[in-house]
Amino acid sequence: EDQVTQSPEALRLQEGESSSLNCSYTVSGLRGLFWYRQDPGKGPEFLFTLYSAGEEKEKERLKATLTKKESFLHITAPKPEDSATYLCAVQALYGGSQGNLIFGKGTKLSVKP
Amino acid sequence: GAVVSQHPSWVICKSGTSVKIECRSLDFQATTMFWYRQFPKQSLMLMATSNEGSKATYEQGVEKDKFLINHASLTLSTLTVTSAHPEDSSFYICSARDFLTVTNTEAFFGQGTRLTVV
Repeated sequence: EDQVTQSPEALRLQEGESSSLNCSYTVSGLRGLFWYRQDPGKGPEFLFTLYSAGEEKEKERLKATLTKKESFLHITAPKPEDSATYLCAVQALYGGSQGNLIFGKGTKLSVKP
Repeated sequence: GAVVSQHPSWVICKSGTSVKIECRSLDFQATTMFWYRQFPKQSLMLMATSNEGSKATYEQGVEKDKFLINHASLTLSTLTVTSAHPEDSSFYICSARDFLTVTNTEAFFGQGTRLTVV
C-alpha cells in the first residue's frame, strides 16, 4: 500500500535556527514527490516537485532533497513568516492510486522571533 | 504557478439543506480536478476525481449521492453536499491539473471551503 509518513509532527525553532523536515514514503513506483506549504484555513501552496533520487531543488530558505525512500525539506535560517504546516505528497506510477496525490499528515513548523 | 479559485471560502448552512462549492482554474485548462476533505491535524483525504465531460470517480467510502460532482467545462468543477448534516462539517479543498504542462503531474490547489452545518 502506498504510504507517506512525515516527521516530526510539530517543530518549534528559534529564528535563524536551521533544521530539516522528513518525509518517508513507500510507493509502487514514484512518479513524483511534492512539497506544499499550508497556512491555517488555506489550501496548500505548491513548493517543489522532485522526480528522481539525488534531485535537489531550492527556493529562498528552503531546499528539498530526494532519495529512494525519503525526502527532506531543509530550512536554513528560518524566519517567523516560515511558520506553517508543510505537507509532503507522492504520486504513484502504478496501482490503484495512480495519478492521485497521497499526502502525509504534515509537519507544523513554528518559528519564534 | 497556475491559479485555482475556490468559492465560497466559508459557508454555514442548516442541517438538511444542500451546499454547492465551486472550483475554477483561472489561467489554464484542467482536464482533471480533485476534491479533498481535511480534518484538523489530518492529511488531505481524496474524495473523488473529476474529469471534464465524464462521471466522477469516487474513493471507497465516499457516498456519491451525497457528494455530487459536476465537471461541465475545462475550467469549472462543482461539489454539492446534499442534505448536509453536522458530521459533514469540514474543510473541503479542490485541486486542478494543467494538462498542458510537460510533466502533467503538478496539481494546484484552491483556497479551501470551510463548511459548518448547524
